[in-house]
Amino acid sequence: DAKTTQPTSMDCAEGRAANLPCNHSTISGNEYVYWYRQIHSQGPQYIIHGLKNNETNEMASLIITEDRKSSTLILPHATLRDTAVYYCIVRVEGAQKLVFGQGTRLTINP
Amino acid sequence: DTEVTQTPKHLVMGMTNKKSLKCEQHMGHRAMYWYKQKAKKPPELMFVYSYEKLSINESVPSRFSPECPNSSLLNLHLHALQPEDSALYLCASSPMTEPRGKLFFGSGTQLSVL
Repeated sequence: DAKTTQPTSMDCAEGRAANLPCNHSTISGNEYVYWYRQIHSQGPQYIIHGLKNNETNEMASLIITEDRKSSTLILPHATLRDTAVYYCIVRVEGAQKLVFGQGTRLTINP
Repeated sequence: DTEVTQTPKHLVMGMTNKKSLKCEQHMGHRAMYWYKQKAKKPPELMFVYSYEKLSINESVPSRFSPECPNSSLLNLHLHALQPEDSALYLCASSPMTEPRGKLFFGSGTQLSVL
């Protein structure tokens, strides 16, 4: 699976949009981008995934660049409960593994 | 029911003890996973079961022994662990059809080895 690079930490004000970047410059055509988050002392939680089109669900939006070498997870109106570690993961279609990188520690400030 | 239930939530054991961690899901998922997570580190994959058969073992020491008795249950048997095995052990499940990368995780078992 392609390697991902994320900032170690980010801060965002409550009520503002949180934009979390992820670089995956070696991604191949059959690799999906997945985002998970892990709130302290809980198991990781699936947020969203995409292949090449932008995706939106009740939790977030995923913007993938046209060349697919990077993506951005957008939390439109961040709340204090969105404070967590966010993982960007690239996974080959059909693969059995899901491998976590270091992630971004997002802190939402009041 | 979209929950993965892990028991116990906390476990303290000595290095000579034998214990088991349990995981249960009723979503009909046929892939189940064990991950290990040390403090302030990302989860590390240990084992993957597909259709109740072990399909991936990430070179985990034999003192960890997984078992999948049926499609809803996953166990992790622990024997002669070391203090460095203290960690959060996470179980997850996923469907066998895409998006297979959509895993559902339990809250984990916090293990302390004394």
